[in-house]
Amino acid sequence: SQKIEQNSEALNIQEGKTATLTCNYTNYSPAYLQWYRQDPGRGPVFLLLIRENEKEKRKERLKVTFDTTLKQSLFHITASQPADSATYLCALEHQAGTALIFGKGTTLSVSS
Amino acid sequence: DVKVTQSSRYLVKRTGEKVFLECVQDMDHENMFWYRQDPGLGLRLIYFSYDVKMKEKGDIPEGYSVSREKKERFSLILESASTNQTSMYLCASSLLRDSHPYGYTFGSGTRLTVV
Repeated sequence: SQKIEQNSEALNIQEGKTATLTCNYTNYSPAYLQWYRQDPGRGPVFLLLIRENEKEKRKERLKVTFDTTLKQSLFHITASQPADSATYLCALEHQAGTALIFGKGTTLSVSS
Repeated sequence: DVKVTQSSRYLVKRTGEKVFLECVQDMDHENMFWYRQDPGLGLRLIYFSYDVKMKEKGDIPEGYSVSREKKERFSLILESASTNQTSMYLCASSLLRDSHPYGYTFGSGTRLTVV
């Protein structure tokens, strides 16, 4: 069956450093992958989408890579700030043309 | 901005009650989804819909049903609430592009407690 793994449940880094979060998947051939941010008690917020034919996508301090050979996506936050502290979720289509399924998330804590 | 509104932020219901969770979106999105989120289990898909009066089962549909009579509204129904349905329920909507759902917009969630 399909599986999405976000390798770390929690990641603690210092302000100003680059945070790198990992998402691995098995038994999928997704057309694209998405990343979301979730704050406690709130719904997830869409951040970025990367397609299978894109190696890298950037948005301000965020960068996502997508390696379909390794079946892995990396999510980077550069010059991290305490306000970046949240849980970050990766998501893939369950099957082509259907709903997303989500990894369990990585909780990022940025200390000043 | 697209808005997804869930009717209740917190809800307490008794075991055996029929519970309705309402979700409305204001951006004419084709797709709507219901998830539940539990500690250690993450977000799990209950049902989704790509069109009015259309529904598809997700990974955990047992004990739930849905209704989509209008494009903007997607209701989740707990036929007979049980304590194991205590959870955070999240509704989402998205556009459909190239036959794939695009980035989701989530509501703020309904924290349901069944006692």
